[in-house]
Amino acid sequence: DVKVTQSSRYLVKRTGEKVFLECVQDMDHENMFWYRQDPGLGLRLIYFSYDVKMKEKGDIPEGYSVSREKKERFSLILESASTNQTSMYLCASSTLQGPSEKLFFGSGTQLSVL
Amino acid sequence: AQKITQTQPGMFVQEKEAVTLDCTYDTSDQSYGLFWYKQPSSGEMIFLIYQGSYDEQNATEGRYSLNFQKARKSANLVISASQLGDSAMYFCAMREVNGGGADGLTFGKGTHLIIQP
Repeated sequence: DVKVTQSSRYLVKRTGEKVFLECVQDMDHENMFWYRQDPGLGLRLIYFSYDVKMKEKGDIPEGYSVSREKKERFSLILESASTNQTSMYLCASSTLQGPSEKLFFGSGTQLSVL
Repeated sequence: AQKITQTQPGMFVQEKEAVTLDCTYDTSDQSYGLFWYKQPSSGEMIFLIYQGSYDEQNATEGRYSLNFQKARKSANLVISASQLGDSAMYFCAMREVNGGGADGLTFGKGTHLIIQP
């Protein structure tokens, strides 16, 4: 069974801390994505990556960075966490093969910044 | 301007009734794809159905069908014979093939569907 695994389901951090959210996929997918989900706002794209060491900004990259050192792993980094980054974070992956390729999602990480 | 609009924040439906969840989209691309995902309270995003912009037939997957009206830029999800397990958030999403940038999906804000016994 194909899988996207996010390392933590729930995370509580303090304002100003550096936070790492990890995502691993076992499908050999080229594309990986980080979204955040907030009530009433749907899912918004933070960053994505087409390949190892590649990254592209999504719609809301401010306050975030990413790292993709290996094809299967895509990390989201909050350099100095703030309360407005409290949210559900969803990682996803897909192949490059065409417009019909769906995204496979992880279970999400609910991050609370206090 | 929003690229994906879901006008129903929430819906209550009686079990066994058919449900239509609305979705309109905005793109100037000729080639694009439309998706529906279901998110139960457990949080996982479950892919339901896909419609390509060049597909002439409406997509169907079991109890799910997509009512695709290209001229209206509408891609409504129809669930026939609703079940209690259909209670969830439903998201409409689009991929613009020629728009450049992300190969990811642009999502709407979602519709919270509650099926009542």
